[in-house]
Amino acid sequence: EVQLVESGGGLVQPGGSLRLSCAASGFTFSTYWMSWVRQAPGKGLEWVANINQDGSEKNYVDTMKGRFTISRDIAKNSVSLQISSLRAEDTAVYYCAGGSGWLTEDWGQGTLVTVSS
Amino acid sequence: EIVLTQSPGTLSLSPGERATLSCRASESVTKNYLGWFQQKPGQAPRLLIYDASHRATGIPDRFSGSGSGTDFTLTISRLEPEDFAVYYCQQCALSPITFGPGTKVDI
Repeated sequence: EVQLVESGGGLVQPGGSLRLSCAASGFTFSTYWMSWVRQAPGKGLEWVANINQDGSEKNYVDTMKGRFTISRDIAKNSVSLQISSLRAEDTAVYYCAGGSGWLTEDWGQGTLVTVSS
Repeated sequence: EIVLTQSPGTLSLSPGERATLSCRASESVTKNYLGWFQQKPGQAPRLLIYDASHRATGIPDRFSGSGSGTDFTLTISRLEPEDFAVYYCQQCALSPITFGPGTKVDI
């Protein structure tokens, strides 16, 4: 059974940084594209970034380039999202998701990031 | 960027009725790389349909997807109580991956 478990969320002050992690199990991690998708409170889904199987290719939504960095550790079966210069509008549940292609087939339960002073 | 528009915004139906949800893309979705997701309050999205018309593993056959190019449809043939949720379409043909704004199916 595919399991994706996010961690690292919490309350952060505006301008701060945060590193989210996602631990993967139950499948061959090295065969999956991995994505981060976020959902602001009461809003829809917004794709943030994805990374290919060996970490050599990364894609980001334009508005998040520069502040968001996706990475993966194949040895630890994990994917991370580093977010800097956090703003109130970054407040959201951040989901880790993956699939054999760009489609986000499997999802974690999400981790909540709240940006507030 | 491919912009996805979903209609209607809200669909008010009763159990046993048929639901027809629309997703329209601003440009053609290559290879019909279009998926449909269901999300219930407090839960992560769940994949229902991929490549426009293929049901994901474990999805009941009352869910079906159709369409190609720029116009796609999710049909729920007979609504069950557990089907009342928000449904999103997603294109994964072109970066950035984009989602539609969602259709809420409620009673």
